[in-house]
Amino acid sequence: GNSVTQMEGPVTLSEEAFLTINCTYTATGYPSLFWYVQYPGEGLQLLLKATKADDKGSNKGFEATYRKETTSFHLEKGSVQVSDSAVYFCALSGETSGSRLTFGEGTQLTVNP
Amino acid sequence: GAGVSQTPSNKVTEKGKYVELRCDPISGHTALYWYRQSLGQGPEFLIYFQGTGAADDSGLPNDRFFAVRPEGSVSTLKIQRTERGDSAVYLCASSFLAGVWETQYFGPGTRLLVL
Repeated sequence: GNSVTQMEGPVTLSEEAFLTINCTYTATGYPSLFWYVQYPGEGLQLLLKATKADDKGSNKGFEATYRKETTSFHLEKGSVQVSDSAVYFCALSGETSGSRLTFGEGTQLTVNP
Repeated sequence: GAGVSQTPSNKVTEKGKYVELRCDPISGHTALYWYRQSLGQGPEFLIYFQGTGAADDSGLPNDRFFAVRPEGSVSTLKIQRTERGDSAVYLCASSFLAGVWETQYFGPGTRLLVL
């Protein structure tokens, strides 16, 4: 079946540091890949997505590239801010699983001033 | 109109009781999803609806869980004979269409605590 593996957290960075959160997946066919973010006290919201290989999703300074050869969708940001502190979830929806999303366990990011 | 809404935001019940959780999707969205999120984990799929019918209910953990969407809009997740292990945040999401490329929009969740 489909699965998503995220790097273990929590991650603590200083403001303006470079961020990478690793995400790898297992799926048959060509899944769509997503990053969702959950800010403290708020619901899950889509950060970015990519629907085919080599696509790059981007939003709010975050980027992730759909790499089929390495089955990865790593999240990056060049300079994090305190306001980026949140839990980040990698997820996929696959051809064999229809519309359901399969999520990773989440990575807690804390950015200190 | 606004985003996905869920009621109640918090529910405390006793073991063995029946609970209903409600979800109001974004107007015009045809697909509706239920997930369950335990502390420190990612959401896990329970069921999704395309219109009024359950298109995939393979994530429901057992027959104590049931969901309906009678008019293709609001959905209710029903849990019978609740157990302490049912304690979690129950998330609802909706999307304009059902498809692997579609963005799902999530509600704030209902936090269920079974004592």
